[in-house]
Amino acid sequence: EVQLVESGGGLVQPGGSLRLSCAASGFTFSSYSMNWVRQAPGKGLEWVSYISSSSSTIYYADSVKGRFTISRDNAKNSLYLQMNSLRAEDTAVYYCASPLAVADAFDIWGQGTMVTVSS
Amino acid sequence: AIQLTQSPSSLSASVGDRVTITCRASQGISSALAWYQQKPGKAPKLLIYDASSLESGVPSRFSGSGSGTDFTLTISSLQPEDFATYYCQQFNSYSFGFGQGTRLEIK
Repeated sequence: EVQLVESGGGLVQPGGSLRLSCAASGFTFSSYSMNWVRQAPGKGLEWVSYISSSSSTIYYADSVKGRFTISRDNAKNSLYLQMNSLRAEDTAVYYCASPLAVADAFDIWGQGTMVTVSS
Repeated sequence: AIQLTQSPSSLSASVGDRVTITCRASQGISSALAWYQQKPGKAPKLLIYDASSLESGVPSRFSGSGSGTDFTLTISSLQPEDFATYYCQQFNSYSFGFGQGTRLEIK
């Protein structure tokens, strides 16, 4: 079964750091690009970051550029998001997502992990 | 970055109605647009990719059209399970942004 499972969310103080993980299974992880998408409580979806299959190409949303770092370990079938200098507005459910069977769309999503930034 | 504007932001409709949601891009994106359905507490589900291609397993009452800057998602005959929030997303630039969403509610 194709699956993405996020972990690492929790409560962190403003200015703090957190590292999210996304474990992939059921497909050849190293062949596919990956993304992080977030959703603040009661709000819409916001694309956060993209990483190509080989890690050679990386993009970030302007709202997280310079604070968040996306990475992956193809040997461990895992995707990461290092989040530094966290702000209250970073509070959200964070999803990992990927285009598997289609080129320009996210056809596989994880269940999400909640990040709360609060003192 | 390319901006996507959905309309309406919310919509009330009845079972059996035909519903159309619009997504407008701030610049041309060819057909690099996807539509998703999201229900409360769940991850989004892909409905349409490449503006008009139906994702495998998605009912045929869902359809997408458009290219360039103007796109539509149509549900031909609303079913009870279709009441949800719908988002468009573009893939034509270095940021894969979403529209603000359209909440579809039962009338």
